[in-house]
Amino acid sequence: EAQVTQNPRYLITVTGKKLTVTCSQNMNHEYMSWYRQDPGLGLRQIYYSMNVEVTDKGDVPEGYKVSRKEKRNFPLILESPSPNQTSLYFCASSFDAGIQETQYFGPGTRLLVL
Amino acid sequence: AQKVTQAQTEISVVEKEDVTLDCVYETRDTTYYLFWYKQPPSGELVFLIRRNSFDEQNEISGRYSWNFQKSTSSFNFTITASQVVDSAVYFCALRAWDMRFGAGTRLTVKP
Repeated sequence: EAQVTQNPRYLITVTGKKLTVTCSQNMNHEYMSWYRQDPGLGLRQIYYSMNVEVTDKGDVPEGYKVSRKEKRNFPLILESPSPNQTSLYFCASSFDAGIQETQYFGPGTRLLVL
Repeated sequence: AQKVTQAQTEISVVEKEDVTLDCVYETRDTTYYLFWYKQPPSGELVFLIRRNSFDEQNEISGRYSWNFQKSTSSFNFTITASQVVDSAVYFCALRAWDMRFGAGTRLTVKP
């Protein structure tokens, strides 16, 4: 089954404790992306990756890191989480970004930073 | 700068009514893509449509239709004969370089 998986689905942590949210897709997609969803703000792009070893900042990259060492995986790293990073996070993948773009989204990771 | 505005925060209709969700975008790029996504109460995000900036042809898919007008920078979404299952949050999005989403419109269809 074609899918994007995220782990964990729910996470409660404390300020400053490094965490990683994993994202994996099994569709051999070139493009992957991370978003955060906050009430009244819609989805905002954090980082995206056009291919392996190619990543770029989205609209709200501060406080986040990503890496793309393999095509299928695109982890999101919060080196020192703060309460304003409490949010619902979505990973997405697509064959490309543009003419054939159909983003498949993961189920979401709900993060609470105390 | 890129921006997507969905001015309607919430819309409530009765089943079988037609409803239009508005989307206005801003970009300086000549090549861009517009999208609509649906987020039902279960929380997943579902792709509905993609339009590129060179294709202003309107599209119909069953009860769904989309009206793209570059002259007014709008990409509106109409649901004809709405059903309870259409209740969801709908997001309009723009890609010129990175991806920008609107704040979403929550549609409630009452039986």
